[in-house]
Amino acid sequence: AQSVSQHNHHVILSEAASLELGCNYSYGGTVNLFWYVQYPGQHLQLLLKYFSGDPLVKGIKGFEAEFIKSKFSFNLRKPSVQWSDTAEYFCAVLYGQNFVFGPGTRLSVLP
Amino acid sequence: DAGVIQSPRHEVTEMGQEVTLRCKPISGHDYLFWYRQTMMRGLELLIYFNNNVPIDDSGMPEDRFSAKMPNASFSTLKIQPSEPRDSAVYFCASRSGLAASYEQYFGPGTRLTVT
Repeated sequence: AQSVSQHNHHVILSEAASLELGCNYSYGGTVNLFWYVQYPGQHLQLLLKYFSGDPLVKGIKGFEAEFIKSKFSFNLRKPSVQWSDTAEYFCAVLYGQNFVFGPGTRLSVLP
Repeated sequence: DAGVIQSPRHEVTEMGQEVTLRCKPISGHDYLFWYRQTMMRGLELLIYFNNNVPIDDSGMPEDRFSAKMPNASFSTLKIQPSEPRDSAVYFCASRSGLAASYEQYFGPGTRLTVT
């Protein structure tokens, strides 16, 4: 079965630190890739997505992600985090019509 | 548009009781998804519908769970009888089959506690 893994369960950073959250998926065919964010007490919102073209994708709020096909990875990055980035981040892969979500990484940004 | 609407937002019930969760997708969206989120298992797809027809219910944990979509603007997820291990946040999401982005729009969730 297709699976999505995220490297870290919980990441703690200070404001202005750089962020990289890892995501790997198991499927070798064509995939569509997403990062969703869930702020405390809120629903999931789309941060960015990759379908084709430039493997470096820019999303909202200064986030970006790089698709590396040879590594089956789609890591999320942000050069300088803010306290308001405290949230849970989910990587997701679209297989056919089904989304498969990773387990999530909780990011805590200390002021 | 109001987005995906779910009710109730919080539900507390006793073991053995029937629980019904409700979802109204975004108007015009023809796909509807039900997810369950727990600390232990993360976000799991339970079932999804296309044009009101259940397409894949392989994620439904057992026969106590059932889902219906009687029309394009309403879906229910029912648990009967409920058990403490069903405690979770249940999300509904919808998307348009015409949209190339495949983005799913999530509702606010229903936090279910079974005591």
